[in-house]
Amino acid sequence: KQEVTQIPAALSVPEGENLVLNCSFTDSAIYNLQWFRQDPGKGLTSLLLIQSSQREQTSGRLNASLDKSSGRSTLYIAASQPGDSATYLCAGPNKLIFGAGTRLAVHP
Amino acid sequence: EAQVTQNPRYLITVTGKKLTVTCSQNMNHEYMSWYRQDPGLGLRQIYYSMNVEVTDKGDVPEGYKVSRKEKRNFPLILESPSPNQTSLYFCASRPMSSYNEQFFGPGTRLTVL
Repeated sequence: KQEVTQIPAALSVPEGENLVLNCSFTDSAIYNLQWFRQDPGKGLTSLLLIQSSQREQTSGRLNASLDKSSGRSTLYIAASQPGDSATYLCAGPNKLIFGAGTRLAVHP
Repeated sequence: EAQVTQNPRYLITVTGKKLTVTCSQNMNHEYMSWYRQDPGLGLRQIYYSMNVEVTDKGDVPEGYKVSRKEKRNFPLILESPSPNQTSLYFCASRPMSSYNEQFFGPGTRLTVL
């Protein structure tokens, strides 16, 4: 059964830092991996989708990579801003097995 | 605008009083699903549907029912709600291919007293 783990569970950084959020999964037979952002009490916003044939995807200051062989994905946030404060979730394919998320706080 | 809508957004009810949370998508997606989100447990899938009249259990289906009579709608039914079903619920949809992005509704916060 697919399990998804996210490290760290929480992160607090000063504005301007470059960040790396980690996601690991147990089953390498995945179709895609998706990163989401969730603001408190709100729904999920899709950030990036990496298909299994891809190694990475970029959107603005966000870059997500996928290494199927090691069962890992990373979300890189460049030059973090207070508006990036949220919980970031990664999810495996099909049924979308979610990790517990990384709660990020960026302070001015 | 492509979207998944849920109603109601907030609901407070009492134990045993049947309720339905509606979900609708306007993207002609075949696959729809329901999740619940609880602190410390993350999001867990309740039920999913791969097309009209095709539904199946997810990881935590106990106490829930679903139906898929139309492609765009996928209601979640709690026949006899209990306090342990107090949670934040999300509906999601995507095209059938597993390679596609999944879209989420805004969530329904349910409190069962």
